[in-house]
Amino acid sequence: NAGVMQNPRHLVRRRGQEARLRCSPMKGHSHVYWYRQLPEEGLKFMVYLQKENIIDESGMPKERFSAEFPKEGPSILRIQQVVRGDSAAYFCASSRIGQGDQPQHFGDGTRLSIL
Amino acid sequence: GENVEQHPSTLSVQEGDSAVIKCTYSDSASNYFPWYKQELGKGPQLIIDIRSNVGEKKDQRIAVTLNKTAKHFSLHITETQPEDSAVYFCAASIRAAGNKLTFGGGTRVLVKP
Repeated sequence: NAGVMQNPRHLVRRRGQEARLRCSPMKGHSHVYWYRQLPEEGLKFMVYLQKENIIDESGMPKERFSAEFPKEGPSILRIQQVVRGDSAAYFCASSRIGQGDQPQHFGDGTRLSIL
Repeated sequence: GENVEQHPSTLSVQEGDSAVIKCTYSDSASNYFPWYKQELGKGPQLIIDIRSNVGEKKDQRIAVTLNKTAKHFSLHITETQPEDSAVYFCAASIRAAGNKLTFGGGTRVLVKP
């Protein structure tokens, strides 16, 4: 499967715990984007990363959320001290080129539930 | 920032009929407009896209039109089939602002056999 791979598909956490979501881009893609989708809503941009660099984090909440895309390994979206409002589907997308007219291909997401 | 509005929010059509979904955007600098299909429990799947230097694009039963002056673009699905039932999202991005996509709120399409 050469598509965008996300894991886990489902993640359950209690309030105050940490959530780590992983994303491996498509082969040959070095640009990764994270989006959040609340129930019955569209996707909202969170962050755009290249290898070892955060390019645009204008959609990331200022506290508790962080993202990285190391030289080796998948991109990680980390949510510390989770709260009920963090319950959502988190999608990762990747593109081959980071220009604003290049297709982004999405993974099947991680559904995060906070108890 | 960019704002994308999508209508209708739900659309029910008879199998074989056409379906049309419309989106408007606010930032005249937007130059890339993809459409995604999302099935239950899945991620968005890119089905067609159009760039601002093109007015219309077609791929089999799917077509997209773009009116830059009016800042709106539309998805047309002809000869609908039950497997077209899904949620469809339009989006827009600005080349100079990186590859950040701004999505519409989605249209739930139901094709009745």
